[in-house]
Amino acid sequence: DGGITQSPKYLFRKEGQNVTLSCEQNLNHDAMYWYRQDPGQGLRLIYYSQIVNDFQKGDIAEGYSVSREKKESFPLTVTSAQKNPTAFYLCASRSQVGDFNQPQHFGDGTRLSIL
Amino acid sequence: GESVGLHLPTLSVQEGDNSIINCAYSNSASDYFIWYKQESGKGPQFIIDIRSNMDKRQGQRVTVLLNKTVKHLSLQIAATQPGDSAVYFCAEKPGNNAGNMLTFGGGTRLMVKP
Repeated sequence: DGGITQSPKYLFRKEGQNVTLSCEQNLNHDAMYWYRQDPGQGLRLIYYSQIVNDFQKGDIAEGYSVSREKKESFPLTVTSAQKNPTAFYLCASRSQVGDFNQPQHFGDGTRLSIL
Repeated sequence: GESVGLHLPTLSVQEGDNSIINCAYSNSASDYFIWYKQESGKGPQFIIDIRSNMDKRQGQRVTVLLNKTVKHLSLQIAATQPGDSAVYFCAEKPGNNAGNMLTFGGGTRLMVKP
């Protein structure tokens, strides 16, 4: 069935290590988004992509990188430059067919912790 | 309402009662609004949306009301059930927004007492 798959569900990072979070969607959506959620807070935008091979920084892009080589995939790398990476990371996608006003749909997240 | 730091506002209701969750949005240029439900350890789930040219929209057991004069959005849940217990977020989309990005509120926790 169609949806957004994030993996792994839990991830641990050592000091100085880069880690990559996977996000795959089979909804044929053009736009994809990465958010960070801290306990008891709303979502903050890290990066977004509206089309293959193009992406834009969100509000908190420092210490993160992304790629968009395929329409269905939008991996997020948390680099060692991100000093406070512990959070719940959410990937979303949205159709851009027709009306601009369409909701984003989310995966079930990856929880990243520091060892 | 909106969250403050780590402590989410909490609404506690009796099973079977109606729930009203409120959200004050920030941008008068926002033209699209969405309510999401987030259960523990999961991603936000779309509930209902509304465009700025409307003031009310109904779904199954849910109604969203939009008051643009005071920049206020509310979600009404009829006959609240234990499965409705979750954190509810509102999101707004500013109209002049090339990436169709959303701005999220801090969330309200709904607890349903059996």
